[in-house]
Amino acid sequence: SAVISQKPSRDICQRGTSLTIQCQVDSQVTMMFWYRQQPGQSLTLIATANQGSEATYESGFVIDKFPISRPNLTFSTLTVSNMSPEDSSIYLCSVEGDRTNYGYTFGSGTRLTVV
Amino acid sequence: GDSVTQMEGPVTLSEEAFLTINCTYTATGYPSLFWYVQYPGEGLQLLLKATKADDKGSNKGFEATYRKETTSFHLEKGSVQVSDSAVYFCALSMNTGFQKLVFGTGTRLLVSP
Repeated sequence: SAVISQKPSRDICQRGTSLTIQCQVDSQVTMMFWYRQQPGQSLTLIATANQGSEATYESGFVIDKFPISRPNLTFSTLTVSNMSPEDSSIYLCSVEGDRTNYGYTFGSGTRLTVV
Repeated sequence: GDSVTQMEGPVTLSEEAFLTINCTYTATGYPSLFWYVQYPGEGLQLLLKATKADDKGSNKGFEATYRKETTSFHLEKGSVQVSDSAVYFCALSMNTGFQKLVFGTGTRLLVSP
């Protein structure tokens, strides 16, 4: 299965600033997924990123707040913009495994605290 | 829409006890089903999966059987260890195209020596 390097692993940011999270995959993948895990909650999909096209956002998430880049088949970034304490969460990227495996691999996550 | 329902936690057990974490799903078709585990301070790891009815996923002593008739995928382990303390997430994904994972709320397992 794919190996994902996600960084930063954690950060403490001032409200009103932005943070860009990076995910590098060791193999080419068609789709990458970005999730948010709020404290004590389950994972919620933010958006799906396909190389060469705009990301598809889930209900409740907008591009202005969470812009995503997908410049090639092994890399993606998620930016959390104009942060507020409510954005304090763990953010994870994910890729799908091969069709016969149907497994999904996750990055180790970025623990964001907004103060 | 598609959804996953897990039993509430935390589940507190003594070492070597039997574990069951219930998971049921609602889906318009026939999804693939997964259990993910999140150890303290770490990201998610795939624990096991099943892609069709009656399949049994197993790993590290954990098992779950895909039951279409009851739309369930309960996680079981015969003898838990302290190192199994973690949060367990049940999830589904539809099998057509590239589909997102839909997660349950997670169940925290605490195993005491």
